[in-house]
Amino acid sequence: KAGVTQTPRYLIKTRGQQVTLSCSPISGHRSVSWYQQTPGQGLQFLFEYFSETQRNKGNFPGRFSGRQFSNSRSEMNVSTLELGDSALYLCASSFQRNTGELFFGEGSRLTVL
Amino acid sequence: GESVGLHLPTLSVQEGDNSIINCAYSNSASDYFIWYKQESGKGPQFIIDIRSNMDKRQGQRVTVLLNKTVKHLSLQIAATQPGDSAVYFCAENGNQAGTALIFGKGTTLSVSS
Repeated sequence: KAGVTQTPRYLIKTRGQQVTLSCSPISGHRSVSWYQQTPGQGLQFLFEYFSETQRNKGNFPGRFSGRQFSNSRSEMNVSTLELGDSALYLCASSFQRNTGELFFGEGSRLTVL
Repeated sequence: GESVGLHLPTLSVQEGDNSIINCAYSNSASDYFIWYKQESGKGPQFIIDIRSNMDKRQGQRVTVLLNKTVKHLSLQIAATQPGDSAVYFCAENGNQAGTALIFGKGTTLSVSS
């Protein structure tokens, strides 16, 4: 069974640009969550999608957005990039909600210059 | 406020020793706790979870203990192996539905042979 796939794995952007990250969950998993990981703040929850609906959102500005498609694949977008957005963005999938057993991808490492 | 933290940022043990990684949480409303392991260059990997109606749960070579009185969580790894070297995170649900977890800062476990 293929794991969670995130693309791109690495990317470099400049301040003010926008970026879109993609996540393909494990087949059959309907819940997709996004987390930001930085050395200073650690792992922080961004959002959760289930059945194409955002079910939960973390404490991030509106520049961070996401969506989920009918095949459970998800994208997140960050607009007007700031230096502080440099981070590892992790996607996790699970078969159902209300579980802590998340299956994480290897992440997309974003560097903002 | 809500926070999940670990007592020690690093832990060094010898191969074959038992390791104990500790975590303190502050949200009394949290009723679900999870341990994750993150190896270098990879996303976090689920190890074991425990709900607040239990005080101990065992897995393969791992045991999680929950002390709700003092809001303390620990992960015990028996016969630690070099492959156990990683960063270990505890997480809590903050009494939220879904997959919005609150992660602690992490403890780096180094196993020498």
